[in-house]
Amino acid sequence: EDQVTQSPEALRLQEGESSSLNCSYTVSGLRGLFWYRQDPGKGPEFLFTLYSAGEEKEKERLKATLTKKESFLHITAPKPEDSATYLCAVQASIGNTGKLIFGQGTTLQVKP
Amino acid sequence: SQTIHQWPATLVQPVGSPLSLECTVEGTSNPNLYWYRQAAGRGLQLLFYSVGIGQISSEVPQNLSASRPQDRQFILSSKKLLLSDSGFYLCACAFRGTGQRTFEQYFGPGTRLTVT
Repeated sequence: EDQVTQSPEALRLQEGESSSLNCSYTVSGLRGLFWYRQDPGKGPEFLFTLYSAGEEKEKERLKATLTKKESFLHITAPKPEDSATYLCAVQASIGNTGKLIFGQGTTLQVKP
Repeated sequence: SQTIHQWPATLVQPVGSPLSLECTVEGTSNPNLYWYRQAAGRGLQLLFYSVGIGQISSEVPQNLSASRPQDRQFILSSKKLLLSDSGFYLCACAFRGTGQRTFEQYFGPGTRLTVT
């Protein structure tokens, strides 16, 4: 069964304290792995798509990496405005519907 | 770029009442469309998806139904709401852009539904 597990569930950092969020997945053939940011009461905001092991993408203080079993979202020198829930999702290579399987998310709080 | 509209933004409905949530998309044609529900503090559960007008696939058995009467319109409905239907409902659209290897999904602002 295709599955996505994110850890930790919650993470509290001081401003400037770098860390990483983990997304472990099992899927019958990976077509893509996606990261989203979700602020309270809002829809998820698209961040990155990763397609194959070894791939990396960056956006401001965020860097996403991918292996054959997991993805990491590295946050360098975070600021309070980086506080949000970060969601990871995978798309299986079977079928062409674009369906995603989501993890439960990691809620990040960055204190000034 | 695409824009996804959802309304209403918030809704409070009594148990047993009907429901209609609407999602419309601008800026793209022939997208795949999706309805998700998100319970408090939890991930997204896919409810329905559609790859074209009149084509609806259901992911979980439930009290809800979906319809796609136009290319860029997706509607979520219920004849009689249950307490367990409360949640945050999200509409998403996906398309494969030039040079992209797969569909990327983009989300609307969501509808907060409270069934009392």
